[in-house]
Amino acid sequence: AQKVTQAQTEISVVEKEDVTLDCVYETRDTTYYLFWYKQPPSGELVFLIRRNSFDEQNEISGRYSWNFQKSTSSFNFTITASQVVDSAVYFCALSEGYSGNTPLVFGKGTRLSVIA
Amino acid sequence: NAGVTQTPKFRVLKTGQSMTLLCAQDMNHEYMYWYRQDPGMGLRLIHYSVGEGTTAKGEVPDGYNVSRLKKQNFLLGLESAAPSQTSVYFCASSYLMTGGDLAKNIQYFGAGTRLSVL
Repeated sequence: AQKVTQAQTEISVVEKEDVTLDCVYETRDTTYYLFWYKQPPSGELVFLIRRNSFDEQNEISGRYSWNFQKSTSSFNFTITASQVVDSAVYFCALSEGYSGNTPLVFGKGTRLSVIA
Repeated sequence: NAGVTQTPKFRVLKTGQSMTLLCAQDMNHEYMYWYRQDPGMGLRLIHYSVGEGTTAKGEVPDGYNVSRLKKQNFLLGLESAAPSQTSVYFCASSYLMTGGDLAKNIQYFGAGTRLSVL
């Protein structure tokens, strides 16, 4: 069965600190996709990144970076030099299969608070 | 381009009342989904559809029905609302790409419907 675990329920950091959000997943499929979504206080879900199981290359986008390690079934998300606008709930999600559009299985989310 | 639009944004129901949540997308997506979000639970799949006229059950389908009569619309119905259905409901849609640019297979979410059942 597929499962996504975000062990950190809440994290609080001071502005400009770096913070890493952990995501551990379980799946029996050899082909799957991993996602991160951001849910700011306004409530909408914002897509951040999609990574397939064949691409373990880390990715950096501005202050955001993602570390995908199949050996530990982890897909961690790091925010460098955090800002107040990064305060949100972050969800990691898994989609099994080749196409990546099977229904998502979400973790329970990590609430990040960045304090000025 | 509106993307995924959910109607209504807020609703309060009494136990036993019925209602329908509407999801409309203008991106010509084949796949549509309904999720519910409860505190500390993340999002859980209620029902989904892989195309017009098709629906399938997700993780938590009990108490809900869905219909996909038109490709652009996906309706979620509560026949007899219960307090346990108090939640935030999200609709999402995505392309069906089986080859070529699979990067298009991203689920885009609506803004959510906050439902309270008293």
